[in-house]
Amino acid sequence: GAVVSQHPSRVICKSGTSVKIECRSLDFQATTMFWYRQFPKQSLMLMATSNEGSKATYEQGVEKDKFLINHASLTLSTLTVTSAHPEDSSFYICSARDPRTTPRGPNTEAFFGQGTRLTVV
Amino acid sequence: GEDVEQSLFLSVREGDSSVINCTYTDSSSTYLYWYKQEPGAGLQLLTYIFSNMDMKQDQRLTVLLNKKDKHLSLRIADTQTGDSAIYFCAEIGPNSGYALNFGKGTSLLVTP
Repeated sequence: GAVVSQHPSRVICKSGTSVKIECRSLDFQATTMFWYRQFPKQSLMLMATSNEGSKATYEQGVEKDKFLINHASLTLSTLTVTSAHPEDSSFYICSARDPRTTPRGPNTEAFFGQGTRLTVV
Repeated sequence: GEDVEQSLFLSVREGDSSVINCTYTDSSSTYLYWYKQEPGAGLQLLTYIFSNMDMKQDQRLTVLLNKKDKHLSLRIADTQTGDSAIYFCAEIGPNSGYALNFGKGTSLLVTP
């Protein structure tokens, strides 16, 4: 299947600094990518939908100025956690649809990155 | 968003069958999914079912869908210790551009 690569897999940063997480589709072009956040023993919560060449669409309650999303190319979306605080510590996962397999309508498979474990100290 | 409900924990003996249940909320969901997450890892799609199907079988996996009750189940036959993981059911979110709406996940523990 298609491959989505996420980097870094783990990052520890100091409170107040910014952290960038990359999500790449390795063998297909993704016009849309999704960013999720997962708290311990919790489900994945959609944070935002990243659209290539346009602004991201954020879910209710997600601060767009804190979680900056850039989808500058068809194979790369980035999530930057700005001025990170300990409560931002979480597992962040991206996913992308492969339009070759789902040219229309809902996707049959969203391919997920490996996830990034962010710890803010 | 709408809630997708799952039981949180299931323990089975190796070789037995496991059944993980899920109820979803959006009657217009066209696809329903089961994902597996191993510790510290991303999500792996196990299987999916289209809403006009009642059952789908794929090797050791059987998915049953009761659309009337909005109930989805995943049966794993001959469960192995390598099946220990968290299993998420998910539906297409109603207004999220084909993003997925996940349940909280069921932690499956397979004991020898």
